[in-house]
Amino acid sequence: EVQLVESGGGLVKPGGSLRLSCAASGFTFSNYDMNWVRQAPGKGLEWVSSISSSNRYIYYVDSVKGRFTISRDNAKNSLFLQMNSLRAEDTAVYYCARAGAVNYGMDVWGQGTTVTVSS
Amino acid sequence: DIQVTQSPSSLSASVGDRVTITCRASQSIGRYLNWYLQKPGKAPKLLIYAASSLQSGVPSRFSGSGSGTDFTLTISSLQPEDFATYYCQQSYSTPFTFGPGTKVDIK
Repeated sequence: EVQLVESGGGLVKPGGSLRLSCAASGFTFSNYDMNWVRQAPGKGLEWVSSISSSNRYIYYVDSVKGRFTISRDNAKNSLFLQMNSLRAEDTAVYYCARAGAVNYGMDVWGQGTTVTVSS
Repeated sequence: DIQVTQSPSSLSASVGDRVTITCRASQSIGRYLNWYLQKPGKAPKLLIYAASSLQSGVPSRFSGSGSGTDFTLTISSLQPEDFATYYCQQSYSTPFTFGPGTKVDIK
């Protein structure tokens, strides 16, 4: 079964750090670009970051540039998001999502992990 | 950045109704437009990619059309499990922006 499972969310104070992980199974992880997408409480979806299959290309939404770092370990079928200098507005459910081969539709999603930034 | 808008923001419909949701991009994105369905507390699910291609396993009552800046998602006969929020998303260039969503609820 094709599956993505996120972990690492939690409650953190403003200015703190968290590292999210996403474990992939059921497909050849190293063949696919991967994404992080977040959803603040009661709000819509926001793309956060992408990383290409080979680690060569990395992109971020402006609001997290310089604070978040996406990475992957193809040998361990894992995707990561290191989040530093967290702000209240980073509070959200964070999803990892696989980019499909055609036109980059995100065709496999994890169940999400919740990040709450509050003092 | 490419802005993506959706209309309507919400709609009420009955089982069996034909439903149409539109999505507009602020510049031409070719066919780099995807549609997702999301139910409360659940992850989004890809319905349509590349503007009109049906994702594997998605019922044929869902269809997509359009290119350039204007796109449409159509549900030919609304079923009880279709009551949800629908999002479009452009994958033409980063940031891969989503539309604000269209909530479909029961009339």
